Amino acid sequence: DTEVTQTPKHLVMGMTNKKSLKCEQHMGHRAMYWYKQKAKKPPELMFVYSYEKLSINESVPSRFSPECPNSSLLNLHLHALQPEDSALYLCASSHYGQPQHFGDGTRLSIL
Amino acid sequence: GQQLNQSPQSMFIQEGEDVSMNCTSSSIFNTWLWYKQDPGEGPVLLIALYKAGELTSNGRLTAQFGITRKDSFLNISASIPSDVGIYFCAGQLGYGGSQGNLIFGKGTKLSVKP
Repeated sequence: DTEVTQTPKHLVMGMTNKKSLKCEQHMGHRAMYWYKQKAKKPPELMFVYSYEKLSINESVPSRFSPECPNSSLLNLHLHALQPEDSALYLCASSHYGQPQHFGDGTRLSIL
Repeated sequence: GQQLNQSPQSMFIQEGEDVSMNCTSSSIFNTWLWYKQDPGEGPVLLIALYKAGELTSNGRLTAQFGITRKDSFLNISASIPSDVGIYFCAGQLGYGGSQGNLIFGKGTKLSVKP
């Protein structure tokens, strides 16, 4: 069982919908990450939060909006997505200088 | 940007066989990590390496941090069916800011020999 919990596990949405992905960890990690993973490819970094502040945005389109309400929670708000945004969205967390631990992801399909 | 060359891309295993895969980089890393990903799940950390020359085991898995800090290998001994999956290497330059970002290899897919 992973210690990083992501919900929902699956999400199907239309291009005009607004939805959110959620990630939660209770390991006391102060760094949290969002990744996008296409089939048969490695994860690609989207955002990094350090001590609840956005520290890295890897030139992600504004239709993806991250939010870190507290040290245990990380959200990814989605709006007006495109079919090419269909992918597995992974959340990870880590202590400073320690390896990242991943959740099981949200499988997102855009109709 | 930095890239990791991971090989082989795929391989077939027969139960009991030993398996080896490796990653090379044109740049130096300070940390090497090996993850395994099963279908429908996120990557799971197998082994973390922090020092050049370090050899670390986790059960039947053994990984080494190359002396040049530009490569790492992972060996699996006496493979079993549950070893199938995709194995990713990842390098990390340092800690903090973009230095803490993981650079992933493209993965090695392990399948059972038909």
